[in-house]
Amino acid sequence: EAQVTQNPRYLITVTGKKLTVTCSQNMNHEYMSWYRQDPGLGLRQIYYSMNVEVTDKGDVPEGYKVSRKEKRNFPLILESPSPNQTSLYFCASLGGSGGYTFGSGTRLTVV
Amino acid sequence: DQQVKQNSPSLSVQEGRISILNCDYTNSMFDYFLWYKKYPAEGPTFLISISSIKDKNEDGRFTVFLNKSAKHLSLHIVPSQPGDSAVYFCAASPAPGAGSYQLTFGKGTKLSVIP
Repeated sequence: EAQVTQNPRYLITVTGKKLTVTCSQNMNHEYMSWYRQDPGLGLRQIYYSMNVEVTDKGDVPEGYKVSRKEKRNFPLILESPSPNQTSLYFCASLGGSGGYTFGSGTRLTVV
Repeated sequence: DQQVKQNSPSLSVQEGRISILNCDYTNSMFDYFLWYKKYPAEGPTFLISISSIKDKNEDGRFTVFLNKSAKHLSLHIVPSQPGDSAVYFCAASPAPGAGSYQLTFGKGTKLSVIP
């Protein structure tokens, strides 16, 4: 089954403790992206990657890092999380009719 | 500056009637438009798209209309069903060949279909 898999689904952490949210896709897509969803703000792009070793900032990249060492994986790294990064995060890959396939989301709470 | 606007945060419709969700955009470089549907606790799922060379695209009960001169698109759902209750996001991107696939999303409209 074609899918984008994110882990973990839920995460509670403390301010300043580094964390990584993993994302993997099995569709051999070149383009992948991370979004965050916040109430009243919709989906905002954090980072995207057009291919292996090619990444670029989206609209809200501050406080985040990404890497793309292999085509299938696109982890999101928070080096020093802060409470304003409490959000619902979605990984997505692009394929077919221009549509993204999204993962199921990671709900992150930073206390 | 919000480039993709969904001005109605919520919409309630009776089952069997038409649902019309609206979306406006400001960026003239946008060339490709998509609608996504999102249920709670799930990721958004692609619903339907339209490129700027068309003014209408239909897929079953779902039709998207594009008025490029007005920078406006709408999603029509006919007939509406209770299972259509979800948040709908409008999204836009530059032409796929322009080197960027970056999607800009609206804030979403929560549709409630009342049985």
